Amino acid sequence: AQTVTQSQPEMSVQEAETVTLSCTYDTSESDYYLFWYKQPPSRQMILVIRQEAYKQQNATENRFSVNFQKAAKSFSLKISDSQLGDAAMYFCAPLHTGANSKLTFGKGITLSVRP
Amino acid sequence: ETGVTQTPRHLVMGMTNKKSLKCEQHLGHNAMYWYKQSAKKPLELMFVYSLEERVENNSVPSRFSPECPNSSHLFLHLHTLQPEDSALYLCASSRQDGLGEQYFGPGTRLTVT
Repeated sequence: AQTVTQSQPEMSVQEAETVTLSCTYDTSESDYYLFWYKQPPSRQMILVIRQEAYKQQNATENRFSVNFQKAAKSFSLKISDSQLGDAAMYFCAPLHTGANSKLTFGKGITLSVRP
Repeated sequence: ETGVTQTPRHLVMGMTNKKSLKCEQHLGHNAMYWYKQSAKKPLELMFVYSLEERVENNSVPSRFSPECPNSSHLFLHLHTLQPEDSALYLCASSRQDGLGEQYFGPGTRLTVT
């Protein structure tokens, strides 16, 4: 079974600044994916970034990047040049590969962006 | 074309009503999922369908009945619900069960009165 810990329930960042959202997880699997999803007030769950556990290189998607530490089971999300539209709830979610695996969501972090 | 659509977006129903939620994906995926999102709780996986066969049923009460007539459509039939079933119900799809990212629909906000 997988568990996900997002220990910061709320965070705030000044517009144009950088913020890092933390996530740790526990899994016995060696091959898995890691995702960050964003859920704005519209409630649409949007994929932000993905990371394959076998890749050492950290994933980057425009202003979003991750710091993946496999041994520490840590998967943080860095948002650079924060924009007002980044205000949302962010969920970390690991998924081990193979049939019958489950996408396990953390409790989420509410990010507010100050203008 | 939006990848995953859900209808209705909002639903209010009494405890004795019968209603259905619909999900459609236009991504050519083979796996579809129903999640429940309640306030202050993590997303809960309810059902998983892979190639139109149910592969996961997470101890969901029988008042929730899923149906997957083909790989593009997924329904959640509701009957004799309880007020605690009020939540956001999210549908998602992925290329295959347990492989790669899931793409979500906008959700149906359900209120049981």
